Amino acid sequence: AQSVTQPDIHITVSEGASLELRCNYSYGATPYLFWYVQSPGQGLQLLLKYFSGDTLVQGIKGFEAEFKRSQSSFNLRKPSVHWSDAAEYFCAVGAGEYGNKLVFGAGTILRVKS
Amino acid sequence: KAGVTQTPRYLIKTRGQQVTLSCSPISGHRSVSWYQQTPGQGLQFLFEYFSETQRNKGNFPGRFSGRQFSNSRSEMNVSTLELGDSALYLCASSDPRVNYGYTFGSGTRLTVV
Repeated sequence: AQSVTQPDIHITVSEGASLELRCNYSYGATPYLFWYVQSPGQGLQLLLKYFSGDTLVQGIKGFEAEFKRSQSSFNLRKPSVHWSDAAEYFCAVGAGEYGNKLVFGAGTILRVKS
Repeated sequence: KAGVTQTPRYLIKTRGQQVTLSCSPISGHRSVSWYQQTPGQGLQFLFEYFSETQRNKGNFPGRFSGRQFSNSRSEMNVSTLELGDSALYLCASSDPRVNYGYTFGSGTRLTVV
């Protein structure tokens, strides 16, 4: 069965520091991979997605992610974190016959220190 | 372009009652999915509709049902509510012809008392 693991439940970084959020997936075929962000009480906003092609994907708000098939990973990075980036981040894989059933990781809560 | 609209935003119901939640997708999006988010179980897939047909269903009891109308608007219904049904219910829409990537609404916060 498809699954997504986000090993870090909480991460705290200083404003201006770099960020890397880890994501490992389990999926038999070439995965559709996503990163979403959620602010308290809000829905999910798509940061970026990977379907095929270039393994380094650029997203919104200065985020990028790298797909590494050999490591079954899709880690999210940002070179310089802003206080407004504090939120919960979810990695997901598109499963099901049409790849349209999203299987989410448990999420990583990002806290930004000023 | 308007986003995904979910109504109502908040709802309080009593155990044993039933509830209907509504979702209006982005114009032109024909795929609508529903997810349940709870602190204990996280984000879980409920079902997905495309052109009024349910294509995928998650592991939820039959008390959870949904439908999609010809204008792509969708509703989900939960009958015989239990305390454990308290959650944020999220709707997402997508146009698979363009590329995957679901756009989520702000959700409906259901509290069962």
